[in-house]
Amino acid sequence: GDSVTQMEGPVTLSEEAFLTINCTYTATGYPSLFWYVQYPGEGLQLLLKATKADDKGSNKGFEATYRKETTSFHLEKGSVQVSDSAVYFCALSDLGNAGNMLTFGGGTRLMVKP
Amino acid sequence: DAEITQSPRHKITETGRQVTLACHQTWNHNNMFWYRQDLGHGLRLIHYSYGVQDTNKGEVSDGYSVSRSNTEDLPLTLESAASSQTSVYFCASSEDGNTEAFFGQGTRLTVV
Repeated sequence: GDSVTQMEGPVTLSEEAFLTINCTYTATGYPSLFWYVQYPGEGLQLLLKATKADDKGSNKGFEATYRKETTSFHLEKGSVQVSDSAVYFCALSDLGNAGNMLTFGGGTRLMVKP
Repeated sequence: DAEITQSPRHKITETGRQVTLACHQTWNHNNMFWYRQDLGHGLRLIHYSYGVQDTNKGEVSDGYSVSRSNTEDLPLTLESAASSQTSVYFCASSEDGNTEAFFGQGTRLTVV
């Protein structure tokens, strides 16, 4: 079945540091890929997405590129802020195999120190 | 503005009791989902629905049931609550698999 693997946290960075959170996936169809963010006490909200190979999703300074050859969708940000502290989830939706539901990775907690 | 709401936000119940968690969305989405979030497991799919009268089992459906009598609501029922069902539950809805899924704020359920 489909699966998503992302690096375990927590990831602790100083403000203005470069961020990478790794995400790899396994899917039998042609998945769309997503990054969701969860701030403390809240539900998940979409951060960015990419629906086909080589697409780059971007939002709020975050970006991720859909790499079919390496089955990866790594999240990056050039300069993190304290307000970026949250849990980040990589997810896929595999329309060809599993319909419309999202399959999530385990989540990566990011802590940014001033 | 359209939204998705869950109730209650917090619930404490006793082992063996039946519990129902509500989920209501005003996006007019056909797709609705229930997930549970546990440390070390991320989000795991419990049940999902692609439209009225349609329900499907997810990865961790044992001990849970859902019904879809209208587009707006997908209540989640724990038939006989167990301590292993202590978790945070999230409801979500989406238009299709390529578009954004909108999540409720979650229900923290404690079974004692």
